[in-house]
Amino acid sequence: KNEVEQSPQNLTAQEGEFITINCSYSVGISALHWLQQHPGGGIVSLFMLSSGKKKHGRLIATINIQEKHSSLHITASHPRDSAVYICAVSSMDSNYQLIWGAGTKLIIKP
Amino acid sequence: NAGVTQTPKFQVLKTGQSMTLQCAQDMNHNSMYWYRQDPGMGLRLIYYSASEGTTDKGEVPNGYNVSRLNKREFSLRLESAAPSQTSVYFCASRDSRILYNSPLHFGNGTRLTVT
Repeated sequence: KNEVEQSPQNLTAQEGEFITINCSYSVGISALHWLQQHPGGGIVSLFMLSSGKKKHGRLIATINIQEKHSSLHITASHPRDSAVYICAVSSMDSNYQLIWGAGTKLIIKP
Repeated sequence: NAGVTQTPKFQVLKTGQSMTLQCAQDMNHNSMYWYRQDPGMGLRLIYYSASEGTTDKGEVPNGYNVSRLNKREFSLRLESAAPSQTSVYFCASRDSRILYNSPLHFGNGTRLTVT
């Protein structure tokens, strides 16, 4: 079993829909990271969180430390949101290394 | 702010040739990383440097060497390139001190083809 599991692996939705991507982890963490990679593009950090909720524009990230679970939400989705969304955690055992999820490929159709 | 600067952007090598990928960050981060990303796959850690003067192997270190030249710079060397090393390489940095945990910052990537 992977230490960081993301679901779904692939998600296709219509423009305007509310999107949820999930991340579950099995290790103690100091922080959880959400990142975005557009096709053929670079990798951008969206959020780093260790508790509660963060919001940036139409993106919202939440984390439940007790349940070892995080969600990334996109409101009013747009085709430009089409990308791979990656969850990664900084383990408490080694804050230097990150443990990566496999990524969720999101396609938003106009 | 330049962030993480990675060079070159593209490179084609013949099998057996050597090259060095350069990476520099201007954010005073202590930790730096080299990842490779193969088509349709996630990031795999090659080497990392938790702080200046230290380097450690990641998941896929074979065929690579690294140098943490100073706090800013972390280079990746392929001594004898092989077709299996065809990939996109990303350098990243972050402040991983516990009290100053920061997000990862990535370079724009190097697309390497070994023929």
